[in-house]
Amino acid sequence: GAGVSQSPSNKVTEKGKDVELRCDPISGHTALYWYRQSLGQGLEFLIYFQGNSAPDKSGLPSDRFSAERTGGSVSTLTIQRTQQEDSAVYLCASSLTVGSNLEQFFGPGTRLTVL
Amino acid sequence: AQSVTQPDIHITVSEGASLELRCNYSYGATPYLFWYVQSPGQGLQLLLKYFSGDTLVQGIKGFEAEFKRSQSSFNLRKPSVHWSDAAEYFCAVGAATGGGADGLTFGKGTHLIIQP
Repeated sequence: GAGVSQSPSNKVTEKGKDVELRCDPISGHTALYWYRQSLGQGLEFLIYFQGNSAPDKSGLPSDRFSAERTGGSVSTLTIQRTQQEDSAVYLCASSLTVGSNLEQFFGPGTRLTVL
Repeated sequence: AQSVTQPDIHITVSEGASLELRCNYSYGATPYLFWYVQSPGQGLQLLLKYFSGDTLVQGIKGFEAEFKRSQSSFNLRKPSVHWSDAAEYFCAVGAATGGGADGLTFGKGTHLIIQP
């Protein structure tokens, strides 16, 4: 069956521009997670959704970051006024429902480069 | 808050040799523990997980891990590595809060190099 997909796979942008990253979770998975993977910080948890709701946004690095999920399916992570330190691989994962004991299935990621 | 330490940034092993990747965690209660593998340009794939019960868990691709509460460790092992095992390995801990998901906390990863 189809796994988690993310688009675009690569994104190069100029400092100050806005970018949108998309995640399509596995069909039927109600929980969706965003992580950021960078050389300096390793893998950082950013935010999770249960359905369309994100109960805790405190993991987002700054107020330039926002995320939404519609129809309990596709999610977008938006970064406004990108900075060079935003360069990283952004990974999306989904699981059947919310719960730290459940396997999270990861997408291939979007590599973001801010020039 | 939980944390994960993977002391070895790089490990080089000869093909056919045994492997042990170290992972230490910090968490106030019994955690949920995971090992993921990431091949170049790929997402993370779950190798195995520990929640409770038998402290020796078997995973895919011939990997196993042992949970040692007294040492706060969850080391990954494989008796004989193959060239295809070359990848980045991540240990992760999930908070066993029983409520909402806090996301996984990952270690920095161990880069495994296989020598022919």
